[in-house]
Amino acid sequence: KAGVTQTPRYLIKTRGQQVTLSCSPISGHRSVSWYQQTPGQGLQFLFEYFSETQRNKGNFPGRFSGRQFSNSRSEMNVSTLELGDSALYLCASSLVKGDQETQYFGPGTRLLVL
Amino acid sequence: ILNVEQSPQSLHVQEGDSTNFTCSFPSSNFYALHWYRWETAKSPEALFVMTLNGDEKKKGRISATLNTKEGYSYLYIKGSQPEDSATYLCDNTDKLIFGTGTRLQVFP
Repeated sequence: KAGVTQTPRYLIKTRGQQVTLSCSPISGHRSVSWYQQTPGQGLQFLFEYFSETQRNKGNFPGRFSGRQFSNSRSEMNVSTLELGDSALYLCASSLVKGDQETQYFGPGTRLLVL
Repeated sequence: ILNVEQSPQSLHVQEGDSTNFTCSFPSSNFYALHWYRWETAKSPEALFVMTLNGDEKKKGRISATLNTKEGYSYLYIKGSQPEDSATYLCDNTDKLIFGTGTRLQVFP
């Protein structure tokens, strides 16, 4: 079974631009979560989608948004990019939204904002 | 404890040494805790999911214990090897909150 895929893997943008990242979960997985990792920080939770609905949201500004499609693929959008948005963005999928469910992570998208 | 905390932040050990580190979490409203291993240039990979007080899980030389009443989990590595070098993360899946991880380096 193919793993979680994320595109693009690397991205360079300038301040003020917007960016869209994509995540395709493992086939059959319905829950997708997004995380941000910056140097020296742990994984910061952005949001979780399940069956096209946002179920959980982390403490990020409204510039960060996401959505999930009927095929469970998810996109994350960041508008008006700031230098501090430079980070590794990981998505993870799990079979259902369940606290015991193990998450499977994608390889991440490394975003650099200049 | 309001968040998930891990200690130490980093650890350097010699090959063959055994080591352990801690994940502390809010003991109220506990549902489950996961341990992940995150090797450089790879994705985090699940090691264990732990749900019941007193749980003990083992995978090869790596084992973990859980105390939900006092809000901590220990991860043990017996006879560390260079390939164990990674960042070890835990998360409180109720709130999808990860600790900052323990970065382990094992020197040959």
